[in-house]
Amino acid sequence: GAVVSQHPSRVICKSGTSVKIECRSLDFQATTMFWYRQFPKQSLMLMATSNEGSKATYEQGVEKDKFLINHASLTLSTLTVTSAHPEDSSFYICSAYSGNTIYFGEGSWLTVV
Amino acid sequence: RKEVEQDPGPFNVPEGATVAFNCTYSNSASQSFFWYRQDCRKEPKLLMSVYSSGNEDGRFTAQLNRASQYISLLIRDSKLSDSATYLCVVSGNTGFQKLVFGTGTRLLVSP
Repeated sequence: GAVVSQHPSRVICKSGTSVKIECRSLDFQATTMFWYRQFPKQSLMLMATSNEGSKATYEQGVEKDKFLINHASLTLSTLTVTSAHPEDSSFYICSAYSGNTIYFGEGSWLTVV
Repeated sequence: RKEVEQDPGPFNVPEGATVAFNCTYSNSASQSFFWYRQDCRKEPKLLMSVYSSGNEDGRFTAQLNRASQYISLLIRDSKLSDSATYLCVVSGNTGFQKLVFGTGTRLLVSP
């Protein structure tokens, strides 16, 4: 079946630096991908919808200049957390549709120290 | 009010027990409904879609009540491996692709 791969699975970065997370659809093309964030004991919250070849659509309250999304090809979307702070530490996960089924990446644990 | 509400639990049940989870959603225009399972520190995985007529998949039965905006999941003959967090998921009002997740209900099955 379809697979969505995320990298890195875990990353630790220093406060003030930027970190990039990649989301790839391995055997299908995804014109739209979704980025979620999940804090401990909370639900997955949609951050933004990534659209191939155009600007991402951000949910209310998500800073587009802090969470940069690039979807330059039909199989790759990237999320860059810029000037990361400890409060950005979270589980970031992407998803994409193949047909009528949504597939999730394995998720990326970000720890900002 | 949250768009999707679930009892966070945990539900502690012995092996072999039957357990039921409930979920309510606020958007009456929602079209698609799902139950996902999420293991600790892992990505969510689709357990089953939920249809108006109700549907069953082995030990799992899902029900949808559109009038009450209520979804349920019944697990029969619980196994140790059923221990996980069960997420109620509803399509957003901007299209079926935009999903709204509940906070999840944690299930612990003990020997």
